[in-house]
Amino acid sequence: QVQLVESGGGVVQPGRSLRLSCAASGFTFSSYGMHWVRQTPDKGLEWVASISYDGSNEDFADSVKDRFTISRDNSNNRLYLELNNLRPEDTAVYYCAKGVGVYGYRPQDYWGQGTLVTVSS
Amino acid sequence: DIQMTQSPSTLSASVGDRVTITCRASQGISRRLAWYQQKQGRAPKLLIYEASTLASGVPSRFSGSGSGSEFTLIISGLQPDDFATYYCQQYNNYWTFGQGTKVEIK
Repeated sequence: QVQLVESGGGVVQPGRSLRLSCAASGFTFSSYGMHWVRQTPDKGLEWVASISYDGSNEDFADSVKDRFTISRDNSNNRLYLELNNLRPEDTAVYYCAKGVGVYGYRPQDYWGQGTLVTVSS
Repeated sequence: DIQMTQSPSTLSASVGDRVTITCRASQGISRRLAWYQQKQGRAPKLLIYEASTLASGVPSRFSGSGSGSEFTLIISGLQPDDFATYYCQQYNNYWTFGQGTKVEIK
């Protein structure tokens, strides 16, 4: 069965960095686009970033562009999100999600349990 | 950016009720719309994609319809396991979610 397990969340000061990781299993990781989506009580669900099956294409929400980096390691079935220059408004639960298909505008059919990032001084 | 607006925000219903949730896009998105169910403390679960296609393992009491900018999720015969928050998502141009509809026990 598909499993996505996020890690790396925690409390970090504004302006600092954090790296989230997502371990994938139960499917051919290298064949699917992957996504990061975050959620807060105030703003709800917000798409953050996406990467194609082979890492050749990436997309970012305007709110994180130039601050966050997405990458993947297909040999180890891992997805990453590097969060730089963090702001208090980046505080959220971050979900790793599997896309339907190799990439492109498709929904996400499996989600991890999420990891909480808190940006506070 | 495409904005998604759901109504109502909260819905009180009883087991066995037929429940209807509406989602409106700020511009036409063809049928590139998904519905997710989320229970407290859990990740979202894909229910429907392409406006009306049931995801694998989703009970047939869930159905979706619509195209363009108006979409509907119907639960025919609400079950105890269905009390949750439901989100629509457009994937016509990047990905945007509605604000959610909480289905609570009446």
